[in-house]
Amino acid sequence: GESVGLHLPTLSVQEGDNSIINCAYSNSASDYFIWYKQESGKGPQFIIDIRSNMDKRQGQRVTVLLNKTVKHLSLQIAATQPGDSAVYFCAENIGWLRNQFYFGTGTSLTVIP
Amino acid sequence: KAGVTQTPRYLIKTRGQQVTLSCSPISGHRSVSWYQQTPGQGLQFLFEYFSETQRNKGNFPGRFSGRQFSNSRSEMNVSTLELGDSALYLCASSLTLGQGGSGELFFGEGSRLTVL
Repeated sequence: GESVGLHLPTLSVQEGDNSIINCAYSNSASDYFIWYKQESGKGPQFIIDIRSNMDKRQGQRVTVLLNKTVKHLSLQIAATQPGDSAVYFCAENIGWLRNQFYFGTGTSLTVIP
Repeated sequence: KAGVTQTPRYLIKTRGQQVTLSCSPISGHRSVSWYQQTPGQGLQFLFEYFSETQRNKGNFPGRFSGRQFSNSRSEMNVSTLELGDSALYLCASSLTLGQGGSGELFFGEGSRLTVL
């Protein structure tokens, strides 16, 4: 069939505000999740990960929340900075598929100075 | 520690040609994965190699192939190029759970292929 371009969700926030980026994953058997940040012209960069035996994990200025009941992940960025402007992807992995990750469509975050 | 290195960074080919892309993983990483990134389909898994063996393969035609060498360096090849193969090809290496790692993927900057 005809290929349809992905509609990338966008999020604009004021510098200093908190950002929340959401992701719905597909497979209830997924047991490892990663959030990646991709800046223009660069490869995805690891932000934070979480395993399915956890509900929450915190890093520096970032928090990931996992709700397995509704298969939902969120990434919270505190005090968003202009350097946070990028596309953010969630990726899910099923243990028995080893390093085969399935990536979400991504969210484009723009920080307004 | 050097990151994942991909070469070439940019290349232009014509339909029907073939292309080989190279990836040098982070030292000590034995797992190398390849992904295709396009505006239309996003990031899609091509295949994964570990200790010179292809462990997983995504849903791509046989024109897409790869291999891994004993030093963990990997190459992927696309034969009989089509316009739709224009994409950013990303290589990622990881320290697997079996190696005491977390399984996190470390990506290179990618090889941007344009097919005319």
